[in-house]
Amino acid sequence: ETGVTQSPTHLIKTRGQQVTLRCSSQSGHNTVSWYQQALGQGPQFIFQYYREEENGRGNFPPRFSGLQFPNYSSELNVNALELDDSALYLCASSLSLRTESSYEQYFGPGTRLTVT
Amino acid sequence: AQKVTQAQTEISVVEKEDVTLDCVYETRDTTYYLFWYKQPPSGELVFLIRRNSFDEQNEISGRYSWNFQKSTSSFNFTITASQVVDSAVYFCALSETKLTYSGAGSYQLTFGKGTKLSVIP
Repeated sequence: ETGVTQSPTHLIKTRGQQVTLRCSSQSGHNTVSWYQQALGQGPQFIFQYYREEENGRGNFPPRFSGLQFPNYSSELNVNALELDDSALYLCASSLSLRTESSYEQYFGPGTRLTVT
Repeated sequence: AQKVTQAQTEISVVEKEDVTLDCVYETRDTTYYLFWYKQPPSGELVFLIRRNSFDEQNEISGRYSWNFQKSTSSFNFTITASQVVDSAVYFCALSETKLTYSGAGSYQLTFGKGTKLSVIP
């Protein structure tokens, strides 16, 4: 069973630029969630994708957008980068079948984004 | 709004000591899930346990045990006979389900700020 993978591992961008982060979900999972983790803080929910559509969103501005593909992999796009966007971005996959097991989210290693 | 509080920012223990990590949560829902995750220096969040709001039985898994008390809205985590490999940041999280138009539950996790555990050899 393949786990959740994310790319790239690290990224440095300049304020105002755009960035795309990628996530491959665990084999058999159909739902992907994205979280932002600032230094010294707990992860914060950005949004979730299920069947290629956004299925819930946290308190993040529209310049944070995403996509989910037919193979359930996902992208997180951030436009007009700000210094405060510097963080570890975590992707989590899960299986949504309205059973208890669907509540377990398995996380990837994250992408560390630095905005200068 | 849901909230998770982990009052202990950092804890240091000597190897083989027992340690308890505290977690207090707030929610207006009657159905919810509680989780503990471990984050080693590599950054990946490792799932440890999930508990639903209807199951207050304590759980033990090897050196790990969890104490869920709805009356005090707490879900504490104890490591017995701690080891250096237990050094990590531990997060408590809460999940409520919000049904969306897609028909699938949207279960976003709300995390506490984490407790950094250092086990000294």
